[in-house]
Amino acid sequence: SQQGEEDPQALSIQEGENATMNCSYKTSINNLQWYRQNSGRGLVHLILIRSNEREKHSGRLRVTLDTSKKSSSLLITASRAADTASYFCATARASNTGKLIFGQGTTLQVKP
Amino acid sequence: NAGVTQTPKFQVLKTGQSMTLQCAQDMNHNSMYWYRQDPGMGLRLIYYSASEGTTDKGEVPNGYNVSRLNKREFSLRLESAAPSQTSVYFCASIESPATNEKLFFGSGTQLSVL
Repeated sequence: SQQGEEDPQALSIQEGENATMNCSYKTSINNLQWYRQNSGRGLVHLILIRSNEREKHSGRLRVTLDTSKKSSSLLITASRAADTASYFCATARASNTGKLIFGQGTTLQVKP
Repeated sequence: NAGVTQTPKFQVLKTGQSMTLQCAQDMNHNSMYWYRQDPGMGLRLIYYSASEGTTDKGEVPNGYNVSRLNKREFSLRLESAAPSQTSVYFCASIESPATNEKLFFGSGTQLSVL
């Protein structure tokens, strides 16, 4: 079964607005990663947060991790039409070295 | 650098036919992975190779075989294709499994089994 579950499944916003996506997981993790997939393309790594970190920033991206709730969120600020894509969380379990388990993804549409 | 290269990009098979999906990476990564992506299911791990000479089953290995030919290449074989194997297949690599960090993905193979 999938380790991560994402919410919402789909999100539609206007350019300039912020987009927030959530990811929940079931077991203890080593780290949690977010990936982006443009239509018809492979996934691209965005950001990684380790289990001992609570928040991380990269440009317009902000990721939080709450290990007590087994959840993470990805915030994209000041969204652009080019941010339109699917976003996936992936977890690396402490006991499963080398295997990343992906969530089902959130499809984001940013309207110009 | 090309990164992770997958061939072919598209393939149509008839039920029962066999084929091999090829994957090569030029980043000197130790670990390589095969995932399948189905609508509403996210990515599911089929097989992975933590290092040259080793392979292990992932979440959905039935109906597939793999070969880690050398450090660069990791192939996925469907011996007798079934309609349930219609999917988009992604190969990925990572520098070291110990760090579990940052998978690099190929652009995918879209496979249809009729």
